[in-house]
Amino acid sequence: AQSVTQPDIHITVSEGASLELRCNYSYGATPYLFWYVQSPGQGLQLLLKYFSGDTLVQGIKGFEAEFKRSQSSFNLRKPSVHWSDAAEYFCAVGAEDFGNEKLTFGTGTRLTIIP
Amino acid sequence: GAGVSQSPSNKVTEKGKDVELRCDPISGHTALYWYRQSLGQGLEFLIYFQGNSAPDKSGLPSDRFSAERTGGSVSTLTIQRTQQEDSAVYLCASSLERGWGETQYFGPGTRLLVL
Repeated sequence: AQSVTQPDIHITVSEGASLELRCNYSYGATPYLFWYVQSPGQGLQLLLKYFSGDTLVQGIKGFEAEFKRSQSSFNLRKPSVHWSDAAEYFCAVGAEDFGNEKLTFGTGTRLTIIP
Repeated sequence: GAGVSQSPSNKVTEKGKDVELRCDPISGHTALYWYRQSLGQGLEFLIYFQGNSAPDKSGLPSDRFSAERTGGSVSTLTIQRTQQEDSAVYLCASSLERGWGETQYFGPGTRLLVL
């Protein structure tokens, strides 16, 4: 069965600093990988996704992620964070399991931005 | 256009009572998903509908949980004889078609508290 690990529960960065959120996955086949963001009181919003092809994926809000098969990783990056980026970030792997198409999520990383 | 809507936004109930949670997907979306977000379990997949059919219901936590979808649109998640461990945020998502090329759009969730 597929699984996702986000090793960092909480990260604090200064506004304007760079950001990297870690994600490791376990899945037997080629994974479909996603990053979602959840702002306080908001639903989940898709930031970016990887299916195949170029391993560096660009998303919304200036985020990017790099798929590294050898490391089973799909880390999310942003060169310069803004206060509005404070939120919870979820990495997910998509799989088909007994006819179900389901996303398996990591436990999330809460991002705090300090001035 | 309108996004995925869920009602009620908050529900407080007493242990042992039944509750119904409603999801209105984006118009024209054929695939619909239910997830649960709780402190102990993170984000977990519950069930997926393609049209009115759910290929597999084994993701539902117990036989107290059931879900249906009618007319290829609205879906209802019913929890019978609620227990305190059912307290969570229940998220619904929809996508235009099945398949990972389609983005899942999430609703704001229903926050359920079982006293």
